Amino acid sequence: GAGVSQSPSNKVTEKGKDVELRCDPISGHTALYWYRQSLGQGLEFLIYFQGNSAPDKSGLPSDRFSAERTGGSVSTLTIQRTQQEDSAVYLCASSLEGIGYTFGSGTRLTVV
Amino acid sequence: AQSVTQLGSHVSVSEGALVLLRCNYSSSVPPYLFWYVQYPNQGLQLLLKYTSAATLVKGINGFEAEFKKSETSFHLTKPSAHMSDAAEYFCAVSYSSASKIIFGSGTRLSIRP
Repeated sequence: GAGVSQSPSNKVTEKGKDVELRCDPISGHTALYWYRQSLGQGLEFLIYFQGNSAPDKSGLPSDRFSAERTGGSVSTLTIQRTQQEDSAVYLCASSLEGIGYTFGSGTRLTVV
Repeated sequence: AQSVTQLGSHVSVSEGALVLLRCNYSSSVPPYLFWYVQYPNQGLQLLLKYTSAATLVKGINGFEAEFKKSETSFHLTKPSAHMSDAAEYFCAVSYSSASKIIFGSGTRLSIRP
């Protein structure tokens, strides 16, 4: 596609429920990144994919967080048993040559 | 550890005045450096990037940044601020073409009429 597409744009969920966030990168971009931006905070790196493999998932905050990428394209970030501290904007980015990303508009997750 | 420091979480300038947003990085090897802008309720947009070519990098919207290795700095400037420049600005660094980008904590730029 023309840009990085994320869905849903907004998600409200109850504490303890699981959520899935989707990222559709720019066609042909081999690298895909997930970041989290909490209110008043900077961008926190979560995980990086090169193709379908994740050489760096050092930023996942707990084992409740997982991500996968299939077909070298779409990625899904899953948060199990959501907690209120998971409330944030989750940003996805993709890159072809790895120098400079194109970001999506993000998914705003609110855990109530 | 690799890091980026943005001096000043909030900068306010008058319309027409010089904009200077400061960024310092920690590195023992030449990095790739970026400035991103985030307008309210929007994603991040790349302003400019340094990839070891010219040390003075020109970006969009009249912004530019200069890489100074001796100072480990990559400050962002614009000669004359416009009201539309009000946004959050993030400095970022990576150390290879295949690694994650590390972001600073951001600087919120406000423009006074």
